[in-house]
Amino acid sequence: IQLTQSPSSLSASVGDTVTITCRASQDISYYLAWFQQKPGKAPNLLIYGASTLLSGVPSRFSGRGSGTDFTLTISSLQAEDFATYYCQQLHTYPYNFGQGTKVEIK
Amino acid sequence: QVLLQESGPGLVKPSGTLSLICRVSGGSIRGNSWWTWVRQSPGQGLQWVGEIDDDGIAHYSPSLKSRLTMSVDTSKNEFSLTLTSVTVADTAVYFCASLTRFLEGSFYYYGLDVWGQGTSVTVSS
Repeated sequence: IQLTQSPSSLSASVGDTVTITCRASQDISYYLAWFQQKPGKAPNLLIYGASTLLSGVPSRFSGRGSGTDFTLTISSLQAEDFATYYCQQLHTYPYNFGQGTKVEIK
Repeated sequence: QVLLQESGPGLVKPSGTLSLICRVSGGSIRGNSWWTWVRQSPGQGLQWVGEIDDDGIAHYSPSLKSRLTMSVDTSKNEFSLTLTSVTVADTAVYFCASLTRFLEGSFYYYGLDVWGQGTSVTVSS
């Protein structure tokens, strides 16, 4: 199963709302997770089951979708949110990741 | 809180064998987790390498399957990765992670919720 994220990068300002899309090549139901990764660090799990926030993740992060089309939305972007975001499908082996979306400061 | 720590050689020669260990602390390797390796080549995205459970049942990336072996040692609370016939394309930061099963309503979902800090491996002569 291939995952295609869009856009590959975006520029935004603090306070903006941004949306990242992840499209699966076949139906993966709700078996999608989202990660945030900062340079030189391990990824951090934000969302599992397409829309459930991991405990401790700020509520400005939200996930939606099922089947083949998913979104990650960050409302009121904060300085610490500038990072690269990845989706991962956990429906069928191999559990591939999307290619990533880099969120940069405008 | 489970913590993961990778260890291994930072440099491996081409055609050699890469061996990495991930030590699990703060919890038992036996339980509700699948133990996973993910790698990231310089400047690139994340690549799922494979996973193993505490009974030793493993799933591998098809692109690495012919060269890859994972194992688990419950007595040492650690799991490992062995990759043979390495090339420069195997140069990457290798992360170990724990895949946890979450119950939401009547459904189980999964997420890699605990990660090691990563260990950098360079394949070079």
